[in-house]
Amino acid sequence: DADVTQTPRNRITKTGKRIMLECSQTKGHDRMYWYRQDPGLGLRLIYYSFDVKDINKGEISDGYSVSRQAQAKFSLSLESAIPNQTALYFCATSDGLAETQYFGPGTRLLVL
Amino acid sequence: SQQGEEDPQALSIQEGENATMNCSYKTSINNLQWYRQNSGRGLVHLILIRSNEREKHSGRLRVTLDTSKKSSSLLITASRAADTASYFCATDFYNNNDMRFGAGTRLTVKP
Repeated sequence: DADVTQTPRNRITKTGKRIMLECSQTKGHDRMYWYRQDPGLGLRLIYYSFDVKDINKGEISDGYSVSRQAQAKFSLSLESAIPNQTALYFCATSDGLAETQYFGPGTRLLVL
Repeated sequence: SQQGEEDPQALSIQEGENATMNCSYKTSINNLQWYRQNSGRGLVHLILIRSNEREKHSGRLRVTLDTSKKSSSLLITASRAADTASYFCATDFYNNNDMRFGAGTRLTVKP
């Protein structure tokens, strides 16, 4: 079984809709991250969380919100989706001591 | 803004040749990491090098770090078609808690 899972894997939605992307991990890590990837731009950090009570904005948090429901779960919400949020979204986890990040398989989101 | 920038953006070589990719960054770092991504998939961690290290090896991978030049290189020796992927460097800001990724180098290894 994969250590970091993301649901859904693919999603098509319309402008203005609310959408939630979910991430679960079985690695027992405290730190979790959400990134988006656009062609040619690499990954950009949206939000990160160091534990259930600690949520931090990343480089591009506008238009997004997150919820850390438990150590193992970290959800990303688009309150009112817009077309320029079309991207590939990745969740990642890390052990604060090791700092290596472990990525999920990604969610491909298309906003029409 | 991105912290790391990879060079070249794309690299095409024949199987068996060595591939070298470079990463430059702007501010002081705690460590630098290299990741690999197969098309449309999640990133896979390759190697981490700390700011007080100059070189690390892992199998066919060799990473160097020059903090005076704020640059790192990833060398893949004896490349294989299966090495075809995008390679990203990632750095953490000194005294900060997030990581910044470069735009990546797209490596194609022709059989």
